[in-house]
Amino acid sequence: ETGVTQTPRHLVMGMTNKKSLKCEQHLGHNAMYWYKQSAKKPLELMFVYNFKEQTENNSVPSRFSPECPNSSHLFLHLHTLQPEDSALYLCASSQGGGNGNTIYFGEGSWLTVV
Amino acid sequence: RKEVEQDPGPFNVPEGATVAFNCTYSNSASQSFFWYRQDCRKEPKLLMSVYSSGNEDGRFTAQLNRASQYISLLIRDSKLSDSATYLCVVNKGVTGGGNKLTFGTGTQLKVEL
Repeated sequence: ETGVTQTPRHLVMGMTNKKSLKCEQHLGHNAMYWYKQSAKKPLELMFVYNFKEQTENNSVPSRFSPECPNSSHLFLHLHTLQPEDSALYLCASSQGGGNGNTIYFGEGSWLTVV
Repeated sequence: RKEVEQDPGPFNVPEGATVAFNCTYSNSASQSFFWYRQDCRKEPKLLMSVYSSGNEDGRFTAQLNRASQYISLLIRDSKLSDSATYLCVVNKGVTGGGNKLTFGTGTQLKVEL
């Protein structure tokens, strides 16, 4: 049973739609992350938040807009996406920034852009 | 050069076999190292951290060689349930807090009867 929950688990959206992915962690962690996993590619870090402040944006296009209202919740707002953005989007959390802190992933949101 | 390189496999081995996975990383500033396991269409889950002194967890042994920037994972007495993709992961840390994990593409293991 994961301590990181993501909704929706599956999403199909048109290129002109606006949608959001939601993530909630129940582990009392301070840091939260968005990762993208495309077919045949390694997981790619998108954003890092620590104590709800963004500490890393890995050159992500502006059509992906993260929001972190508090340490337990993280959103990824999506607008005018492209078909190549179809992927598994994984949220994760960790205790903090210390090296070696385990990162726990949610089950992911499967996104298809049509 | 990729930041983290792994042989994608698949490695097809019989039950009970010993199998070894290798991984190299390019950034000498990397500070912590892990093996994650990912089952098909599931999220990655931590298998074990990797320390310079080497560490063992049951049938799994991990080794790190910082000088060669090389990480390994040994699985002894393979079980059918070990079939999965094994992800080599390195962490640099992020200024301001958080972790910056870089993942390899993963090595696929299939354990067969």
